[in-house]
Amino acid sequence: QQQVKQSPQSLIVQKGGIPIINCAYENTAFDYFPWYQQFPGKGPALLIAIRPDVSEKKEGRFTISFNKSAKQFSLHIMDSQPGDSATYFCAASGADSWGKLQFGAGTQVVVTP
Amino acid sequence: DGGITQSPKYLFRKEGQNVTLSCEQNLNHDAMYWYRQDPGQGLRLIYYSQIVNDFQKGDIAEGYSVSREKKESFPLTVTSAQKNPTAFYLCASSGEQGTNEKLFFGSGTQLSVL
Repeated sequence: QQQVKQSPQSLIVQKGGIPIINCAYENTAFDYFPWYQQFPGKGPALLIAIRPDVSEKKEGRFTISFNKSAKQFSLHIMDSQPGDSATYFCAASGADSWGKLQFGAGTQVVVTP
Repeated sequence: DGGITQSPKYLFRKEGQNVTLSCEQNLNHDAMYWYRQDPGQGLRLIYYSQIVNDFQKGDIAEGYSVSREKKESFPLTVTSAQKNPTAFYLCASSGEQGTNEKLFFGSGTQLSVL
């Protein structure tokens, strides 16, 4: 049973649009929520991460919104570019997990020119 | 050039055969992990190791084995007991100063069954 549910499975946006990917979790012990970006044939790379003590975090064009009461978090890609086309994974882990992340199923994002 | 090296990039397994995937890191990280990636299922943890000579089962360890004899190396053996081994296998490490949570991934090994 997947502990982190991610949606949508895929989405297509035009250049400049704002793709939004949503994730939900049940385990209230989770306290670290990263997003990873993966290009075809490569391993994932950490994009941005958030902890439950803040509701939003921005790094460049990437923003995480976090709703602790709803146990949901989302990734927004502002002013998306064709180079952002990739698969994005949300994940979660607890305080003593030491990198034992629970990953969502992934969202394939395509940004058209 | 620090990082994680996985080899081979592509691997084919015959029926009943054991195969070993290599993972080497020069990041001086204590912890290493093996994840399996299947289309539409995200990444699932197979085994992890927090220190040399110690490792723990992850969520889907059946049909796999590992060893951690050196800090730099964490090979994964896919045994004949793993009936559905076709997948993309990712090795990762963590232990960057200040956080143990950030994972650094290798470029993966695609395993297919002949």
